[in-house]
Amino acid sequence: DAGVIQSPRHEVTEMGQEVTLRCKPISGHDYLFWYRQTMMRGLELLIYFNNNVPIDDSGMPEDRFSAKMPNASFSTLKIQPSEPRDSAVYFCASSRGPGRGYTFGSGTRLTVV
Amino acid sequence: ELKVEQNPLFLSMQEGKNYTIYCNYSTTSDRLYWYRQDPGKSLESLFVLLSNGAVKQEGRLMASLDTKARLSTLHITAAVHDLSATYFCAVDSGYGGATNKLIFGTGTLLAVQP
Repeated sequence: DAGVIQSPRHEVTEMGQEVTLRCKPISGHDYLFWYRQTMMRGLELLIYFNNNVPIDDSGMPEDRFSAKMPNASFSTLKIQPSEPRDSAVYFCASSRGPGRGYTFGSGTRLTVV
Repeated sequence: ELKVEQNPLFLSMQEGKNYTIYCNYSTTSDRLYWYRQDPGKSLESLFVLLSNGAVKQEGRLMASLDTKARLSTLHITAAVHDLSATYFCAVDSGYGGATNKLIFGTGTLLAVQP
């Protein structure tokens, strides 16, 4: 089991550019989560999916952020246009279900200059 | 809205000493998780606590859950340097029918000094 796989590991982009973060959950995990971690705000849940369907996107900061899960093995988080305040580490996590906990990916460190 | 608070935020302790990290949450829940994060790394699952009175132990760490008090503790026994990390608690925002939506605490940065 390769775990939750995120790409890229690091991304540096200029303000105004589009950024796409990718995640492959663990096979058989029906839940997928996107979190953002910053020093100021800690770990924030952005959105989560169950069986590829978005369940709660109340944490998505604004319309510049969008997330998709076209199939059980792939999800993307897109920021368009990016801004310096989007700089953070973005984690993807997957889970078999309630009470089973999450497995986190290695994260993508995003820097917007 | 569920809020999860940890204290202390920073803990510097000597090797061999004991200490406790506290996790308080604001709304009813019966599922709580503890994670560890090393600097620049991802989060690693430590404990899953699924009922009132649940206690789990692994090595020098022991976690417990009191759902009536909305409190979990992570007790460290005879700390060693390898335990230095940031520890997070996370609470399921549902009760009974869990949502599987975890709200994370602020984290406690533990530094164990030789």
